[in-house]
Amino acid sequence: EPEVTQTPSHQVTQMGQEVILRCVPISNHLYFYWYRQILGQKVEFLVSFYNNEISEKSEIFDDQFSVERPDGSNFTLKIRSTKLEDSAMYFCASSAKTSYGQGTGELFFGEGSRLTVL
Amino acid sequence: DAKTTQPNSMESNEEEPVHLPCNHSTISGTDYIHWYRQLPSQGPEYVIHGLTSNVNNRMASLAIAEDRKSSTLILHRATLRDAAVYYCILGTGNQFYFGTGTSLTVIP
Repeated sequence: EPEVTQTPSHQVTQMGQEVILRCVPISNHLYFYWYRQILGQKVEFLVSFYNNEISEKSEIFDDQFSVERPDGSNFTLKIRSTKLEDSAMYFCASSAKTSYGQGTGELFFGEGSRLTVL
Repeated sequence: DAKTTQPNSMESNEEEPVHLPCNHSTISGTDYIHWYRQLPSQGPEYVIHGLTSNVNNRMASLAIAEDRKSSTLILHRATLRDAAVYYCILGTGNQFYFGTGTSLTVIP
């Protein structure tokens, strides 16, 4: 069964360092998402991406964050200068369609990348 | 983001049916109702979704009230592997906002 894969599974970094989290979405999916989950808290939407541009983003997704689809398979989340509060599990997801009034979207999530900022 | 309300936690005995309720009184006409679950230490997993009619799949059933202001996820026979946090989400736009969900405990 196709799946979303994420690397690394765990990354430890020093505050102020740049971090890139990588995701390989399901191959025929067109919509990509990043979510995060701080330990013990709810899953929070960060950003969605379609047709090589950001579709929507939350208040959390400030100038420190960026996303990119550098090639036909990878989807990356970059945190420019990490803060302690960026420590969380980051989940990538992909979808074939959205529920944006055009059909229904089923999101497939990866297993997550745990980021620890010291 | 459209809001949903779910009980914080529920318990069920193994092999018994479980009914997980969700209220979404501010749902709009184009919102789909999605259910996801998150097993411990895993990413969220799609369970089921619907718009107006009740839906069944291999994992669960979704019963949607006639006025669409509430819905119920039905697990027909709970197993220990169904212990998870279940999220009811309204699909609005190109993102899904997760709430705090219902933590389901399955008792052997």
